[in-house]
Amino acid sequence: DIQMTQSPSSLSASVGDRVTITCRASQSTSNYLHWYQQKPGKAPKLLIYAASSLQSGVPSRFSGSGSGTDFTLTISSLQPEDFATYYCQQSYSTPLTFGGGTKVEIK
Amino acid sequence: QVQLQESGPGLVKPSETLSLTCAVSGYSISSGYYWAWIRQPPGKGLEWIATIYHSGSTYYNLSLKSRVTLSVDTSKNQFSLNLSSVTAADTAVYYCARHNMRGSGWTQFDNWGQGTLVTVSS
Repeated sequence: DIQMTQSPSSLSASVGDRVTITCRASQSTSNYLHWYQQKPGKAPKLLIYAASSLQSGVPSRFSGSGSGTDFTLTISSLQPEDFATYYCQQSYSTPLTFGGGTKVEIK
Repeated sequence: QVQLQESGPGLVKPSETLSLTCAVSGYSISSGYYWAWIRQPPGKGLEWIATIYHSGSTYYNLSLKSRVTLSVDTSKNQFSLNLSSVTAADTAVYYCARHNMRGSGWTQFDNWGQGTLVTVSS
């Protein structure tokens, strides 16, 4: 199984801050890596697919990069509605696996 | 606009079978895509359970395969999950979602149901 490790597990940031979340895979996943945002009581929402492609309707302040084993999700200017938990997910091979999540909290 | 909606009992007794259905609207299951179940224990992360295609082809997380059965009903445009011999560790929010194959792997989960909480307790 491909293990996905996210860091940090949580962070505190202020509105307007630039935020970076990292995701490391235990083996190469090429660009089969996706990012989701989840708010309490809601289903995950797709933000970034194939490592760097922005899902339709997602604000351009979200961006993704990386390939192979190391990936990043960047929020260029944190907005109040961005406080949530973020998950990476690999779809290179089954079992499809998720990172443990990064909770972004208000500073 | 594709919409997915989970339904099923919210409470299941230990050792019994958890049964959920995902109704799909706005898209015909028979037209393609793959249909998945994902779960999230309270306060924890996400776990992919299994995926089914409209032809009946199935793909399982081996950690659960011995207890999981998937089925699809194209006439009702829905698919179902059965998880047998449940324990308290199976208490979770269960989501259905849509994805596809790409190259030698899979695509992202691009549409999700709202999720349904299933509690395993006597």
